[in-house]
Amino acid sequence: DAGVIQSPRHEVTEMGQEVTLRCKPISGHDYLFWYRQTMMRGLELLIYFNNNVPIDDSGMPEDRFSAKMPNASFSTLKIQPSEPRDSAVYFCASSLGLAANTGELFFGEGSRLTVL
Amino acid sequence: SQQGEEDPQALSIQEGENATMNCSYKTSINNLQWYRQNSGRGLVHLILIRSNEREKHSGRLRVTLDTSKKSSSLLITASRAADTASYFCATPGPARQLTFGSGTQLTVLP
Repeated sequence: DAGVIQSPRHEVTEMGQEVTLRCKPISGHDYLFWYRQTMMRGLELLIYFNNNVPIDDSGMPEDRFSAKMPNASFSTLKIQPSEPRDSAVYFCASSLGLAANTGELFFGEGSRLTVL
Repeated sequence: SQQGEEDPQALSIQEGENATMNCSYKTSINNLQWYRQNSGRGLVHLILIRSNEREKHSGRLRVTLDTSKKSSSLLITASRAADTASYFCATPGPARQLTFGSGTQLTVLP
């Protein structure tokens, strides 16, 4: 398997623009997670899905952030409008079963977002 | 909020030496996991230790867990330059998700 695939790897945009980050989880995994990593706040969980259904979105910082999982092999994280403070590395991760119980969360390589 | 906190924040050692990193957490857990992150890459799972285990080995890695002190340690023996990375502990959070600590940046000098 190719692992968790994220795109784009790098995105530079201007404040106010819409940003869409994409993720393809590992085939067969039933959980998908979106994390954000910054120097100041470390790794923060934004939202996670189980069988394509959002379970907990309490980490989504504002209404400007939205995430969807239309099917088992694709998820998007959208920021509209983007702001400079959204600059971070966004990771998608997937697991078979809840990683908090069974272990092993598989991460993508991340999407580095810079908002000017 | 972060459940686990690693100590030290940064560690620099010579190749061949052992590296020890510590993690403290706040609430009761049923397992604790360690992950590695190479610069510019995603996190990679290293090892999971359950609450009824005190020690676990995987290759050059040794993990201990002391539930009475709410702490864990990761020991990397005979370190190599390729071990240079950030190391994170992760514990189950209140919403059953994994919560990561702030990480230890390990530098192994050749």
